[in-house]
Amino acid sequence: RKEVEQDPGPFNVPEGATVAFNCTYSNSASQSFFWYRQDCRKEPKLLMSVYSSGNEDGRFTAQLNRASQYISLLIRDSKLSDSATYLCVVNPRLQGAQKLVFGQGTRLTINP
Amino acid sequence: NAGVTQTPKFQVLKTGQSMTLQCAQDMNHNSMYWYRQDPGMGLRLIYYSASEGTTDKGEVPNGYNVSRLNKREFSLRLESAAPSQTSVYFCASVSVHEQYFGPGTRLTVT
Repeated sequence: RKEVEQDPGPFNVPEGATVAFNCTYSNSASQSFFWYRQDCRKEPKLLMSVYSSGNEDGRFTAQLNRASQYISLLIRDSKLSDSATYLCVVNPRLQGAQKLVFGQGTRLTINP
Repeated sequence: NAGVTQTPKFQVLKTGQSMTLQCAQDMNHNSMYWYRQDPGMGLRLIYYSASEGTTDKGEVPNGYNVSRLNKREFSLRLESAAPSQTSVYFCASVSVHEQYFGPGTRLTVT
């Protein structure tokens, strides 16, 4: 079983729709969680960190469910510019080097 | 303030050739990382350097070597390239809260 699993998609949704992705992780001791965004043929960039209490940044909401070991990302009122691959990322360590584990990514296309 | 830079952007090698991928950061971070990204695999850690003068193996170190030349620079060397090393290589500079990636090197080994 992969340490971090995502549905690779692709997800094709119309502009203005709400879309949600889930991601599961296998290491129950994992400490910190992130969503990164990667545009086609570009480097990944941090979208948002994921906190236990859930957090929101504009149209984006991230949730963490430690009991079920999954992370979610919700995008409301989707824009054409949201088209990208979204990477679920887990840091299994509390201390020491930040050895992130990346999911394979979920590809999202927003259609006009 | 360039962030993280990588050279070259593209490279084609023949099997058995060697090359060094260069990475530099101007953010004064202690930690730097090398990843490879293959379709359907996500990013996988090759080597990392938690601080100047130290390097450690990641998930997929075989066939690679690294050098942390100074705080700014972290290079990745392929001594004898193989077709299995065809990939996109990303260098990252790491703060406490975030990894900042370079633009990547697209390497093809024929």
